[in-house]
Parts: sequence; structure tokens; C-alpha cells
Amino acid sequence: GAGVSQSPSNKVTEKGKDVELRCDPISGHTALYWYRQSLGQGLEFLIYFQGNSAPDKSGLPSDRFSAERTGGSVSTLTIQRTQQEDSAVYLCASTTAGRAQETQYFGPGTRLLVL
Amino acid sequence: AQSVSQHNHHVILSEAASLELGCNYSYGGTVNLFWYVQYPGQHLQLLLKYFSGDPLVKGIKGFEAEFIKSKFSFNLRKPSVQWSDTAEYFCAVNGDGNTGKLIFGQGTTLQVKP
Repeated sequence: GAGVSQSPSNKVTEKGKDVELRCDPISGHTALYWYRQSLGQGLEFLIYFQGNSAPDKSGLPSDRFSAERTGGSVSTLTIQRTQQEDSAVYLCASTTAGRAQETQYFGPGTRLLVL
Repeated sequence: AQSVSQHNHHVILSEAASLELGCNYSYGGTVNLFWYVQYPGQHLQLLLKYFSGDPLVKGIKGFEAEFIKSKFSFNLRKPSVQWSDTAEYFCAVNGDGNTGKLIFGQGTTLQVKP
């Protein structure tokens, strides 16, 4: 596609439920990032995938968060047993090769609300 | 650990006023610096970036930023703002050459009054 796409655009869930958020990066981009933007906070890095390398999970806030990237393309971020503090906008970005100087192309985000 | 601080959280200006948004980072090594912008209802997009060379970098829509290594700063400037510059602005740093992951500041909301 022309840009990074994410689905759903909005998700409302009840506390304790699991949610899956999807990211479809720009075709041909090998690097994919997940970030979270909470109310009143900046964007915080969650996880990074580059090709077939082991992902950098250093930003995941708890073991309730996990992500996978199948076939080097689409990625799914899963939040288990959601809590109210998980409410945020989850952003996905991709780059050509994951190098530090590259521009990251962001998707529209998924707005998650945990009731 | 790397961190980024944006001093202005909410800025209100009239059209044609000059803009300067502060950004300071903490990281002792080689850094790559970015300003991203999010216009209302749009995706986050790159405004400009610095990784080497001339410390004064120019970006889209007349924006520029100056990297001052001694001050650990990367302030964003525009000599004359327009109503269409109303947006949220994020400063980001990357000092991890292996992954490209960005550390963002908290963002500055700019409101330009027509």
C-alpha cells in the first residue's frame, strides 16, 4: 500500500479482556516499530522488528504486552488482561532498513480505550 | 538512559509571529535528532532531521532547527508562522545506531491564531 496502515482505528474494551492491534507496514520496509502515546505523555517506544533478527522488546511495559511479525510484514501487538492504564494511542512505524538516520513512516494509530 | 525534554507544552501565537520550540536531550554519544509534526487528523510525519554536517538544518514548510552540541539542544524555529502550522510537534533523539528506535519528548501543542 501507499503508507502504513493500522487496524482497528478505535477499540473499546473492558478491563481484563485481551486485545490485538494490527500494523501493515509500507511494502518493502524491513523494519517495524511500535510506539504508545498516552494522555499527557510523549510517545514511548515499545518494540522493534528488523528482518529475521530477534526483536528488541526493551520498551514493553509488562509481560502482558507481546508482539509478533509474521512473514516479515504484518505485525500484531497483543495486550492481555487489559488495564485502564493501557488506554492510549498505539502507533506503528516502518523504515526501509531500520538504520538510525532513516525517516520513520507512521500509521494513523489505534486508539484503545479500556473501561 | 537517553531522554528528551521539550520545555514548551502549549504555545499560542498569532499569524506572522516567530516561533522557537525548545528541545534538549541527554545522551553523551553520537546522536541523530528529529522533529516530527502531527497536524490535526493526520499521521505523524517528519519535519526535519540532523545526523551530521551543517548543524543548521532546513525542513519542510519553512522550518529549520539548529543542533548545538555544547548545549545538547535542537531547537525548532520558523520566522513567520501560519494558521496551517497549528499542530503538535515532537522532538526525538536516536543514539542507538543498531535499531533506529526513537526517544520522543512530550510534545508541544502549537496553536496559531488567524
